[in-house]
Amino acid sequence: EAQVTQNPRYLITVTGKKLTVTCSQNMNHEYMSWYRQDPGLGLRQIYYSMNVEVTDKGDVPEGYKVSRKEKRNFPLILESPSPNQTSLYFCASSLLAGASSPLHFGNGTRLTVT
Amino acid sequence: QKEVEQDPGPLSVPEGAIVSLNCTYSNSAFQYFMWYRQYSRKGPELLMYTYSSGNKEDGRFTAQVDKSSKYISLFIRDSQPSDSATYLCVPGANAGGTSYGKLTFGQGTILTVHP
Repeated sequence: EAQVTQNPRYLITVTGKKLTVTCSQNMNHEYMSWYRQDPGLGLRQIYYSMNVEVTDKGDVPEGYKVSRKEKRNFPLILESPSPNQTSLYFCASSLLAGASSPLHFGNGTRLTVT
Repeated sequence: QKEVEQDPGPLSVPEGAIVSLNCTYSNSAFQYFMWYRQYSRKGPELLMYTYSSGNKEDGRFTAQVDKSSKYISLFIRDSQPSDSATYLCVPGANAGGTSYGKLTFGQGTILTVHP
């Protein structure tokens, strides 16, 4: 089944404790992206990757890191999480970069930072 | 002014009603117009995709784009309880400044269809 898989689905952590949220897609998509979804603010892009070893900042990149060493994986790293990073996170992929290529989303990771 | 404005609702309708979901946008570079549907505890999934102005129909769903007034609509006919979800309007551009290759998400309208 074609899908984007995120892990974990739920995560509770404390301020400053480094964490990684994994994302993997099995559709051979070139483009991958991370979003956070907050009430009243909608979906905002954190980082995106046009292809392997090519990543760039989205609208809200502060406090996050990403890497794209393989085409299928795009982990999101929070080196020192803070409470304002409590949010619902989505990984997404599309065949190509660009607005004409629809995104496929994972089922989300709900992160709570205390 | 936000690039995409969408009435967050919530909208509650009886089964069988016609639903109209609406969106306005400000960036004239937008050429692609999508609607995503998001069920509770799930990621958004693509529902409708249109390019430029006009109408597109898919079963009970009709997407309408009026680029002259920068207005996007999604109509649902004979609504069903299974249509209860959050609907996100998502315009995008492949040309022009900071909008290049970018999708811009509306805040979403929460729809509940009750039996």
